[in-house]
Amino acid sequence: KAGVTQTPRYLIKTRGQQVTLSCSPISGHRSVSWYQQTPGQGLQFLFEYFSETQRNKGNFPGRFSGRQFSNSRSEMNVSTLELGDSALYLCASSLEGLTGELFFGEGSRLTVL
Amino acid sequence: GENVEQHPSTLSVQEGDSAVIKCTYSDSASNYFPWYKQELGKGPQLIIDIRSNVGEKKDQRIAVTLNKTAKHFSLHITETQPEDSAVYFCAAPLPGGAQTGANNLFFGTGTRLTVIP
Repeated sequence: KAGVTQTPRYLIKTRGQQVTLSCSPISGHRSVSWYQQTPGQGLQFLFEYFSETQRNKGNFPGRFSGRQFSNSRSEMNVSTLELGDSALYLCASSLEGLTGELFFGEGSRLTVL
Repeated sequence: GENVEQHPSTLSVQEGDSAVIKCTYSDSASNYFPWYKQELGKGPQLIIDIRSNVGEKKDQRIAVTLNKTAKHFSLHITETQPEDSAVYFCAAPLPGGAQTGANNLFFGTGTRLTVIP
């Protein structure tokens, strides 16, 4: 069974630009969560999607958004990039999003110059 | 809201020794406590978890203990090996997660474990 796939793995953007990251969950998993990982703040929850609906949202500004498609694939978008958005963005999938194991991808490393 | 504190931030042990990482949480409604291991260049991976209806769970060299009264839980690794070197994260459900069942997690700040051969 293929794991969680995130693309792109690495990208470099400049301030003010926008970026879209993609996540393909494990087949059959309907819940997709996104986390931001930085050395200073650790792993922080961005949002979770289940059946194409945002079910939960973390404490991030509106510049961070996401969506989920009918095949459970998810994308997240960050608009008007700031230097502080440089981070590893991790996607995690799970069967139903109930308390249980999260399966993480290897992440998309975003550098904002 | 939930707050999870993790200690120590770094830990070095000799191969074969034990390692203990401790976490405290604030939300008394939390009922699920996983531990994740993150190796360099990879995403975190669940290594063990415990639910609030038990006080201890063991899986080979790894064990987790939970004290609900004191609101803390610990990861114990015995007979450490070089491949145990990684960053370990504890976690607890975000507010609302315990009620909805959603497994959105608040992670501790991580412990970088180094096992010296």
